[in-house]
Amino acid sequence: DAGVIQSPRHEVTEMGQEVTLRCKPISGHDYLFWYRQTMMRGLELLIYFNNNVPIDDSGMPEDRFSAKMPNASFSTLKIQPSEPRDSAVYFCASSPALYEQYFGPGTRLTVT
Amino acid sequence: GQQVMQIPQYQHVQEGEDFTTYCNSSTTLSNIQWYKQRPGGHPVFLIQLVKSGEVKKQKRLTFQFGEAKKNSSLHITATQTTDVGTYFCAGRGGAQKLVFGQGTRLTINP
Repeated sequence: DAGVIQSPRHEVTEMGQEVTLRCKPISGHDYLFWYRQTMMRGLELLIYFNNNVPIDDSGMPEDRFSAKMPNASFSTLKIQPSEPRDSAVYFCASSPALYEQYFGPGTRLTVT
Repeated sequence: GQQVMQIPQYQHVQEGEDFTTYCNSSTTLSNIQWYKQRPGGHPVFLIQLVKSGEVKKQKRLTFQFGEAKKNSSLHITATQTTDVGTYFCAGRGGAQKLVFGQGTRLTINP
């Protein structure tokens, strides 16, 4: 099994640009999670999906952030417009149930 | 909302010494999970504890869940350089989502 796949692995963009992060969960996993990790705030849950439906988006910082899961094998996290304070590592994780989560390698985002 | 506090934030030990990290929740948990993140890596699931007072062992790692299901600990006996990383606890309360602690970063002097 390839595990959770995220792309790109690194993204450098200028403030004001749109950023799209992509995630392919492990096949057969019903839950998908998006996290953000920074030194200051640690690991924060942004949003999670169950069977492609958003269940809890209370962690999404503001309207500039949006996430979609059009099918069971693909999800996106979009930031528009991006700001320097969005710089972080963004992890996608999937889970077969509300048990252990399998994290992807992460996308390191730098907004200048 | 639910908060999970983890201490210490950092711990440096000599190889062979023991290490313990503690996790405390503001609310009663239905279960607690532990993850390890190597430097530059991603969190990797270690274990889940569900029952009050539960103790589980994985080789040199011992995990405990408190009687009140509000605290937990991870103890590593005789640390090795491969134990380097950040250890996170993550608690699940009434809602479905996990709340992660801030993590304890373990460094080891060989």
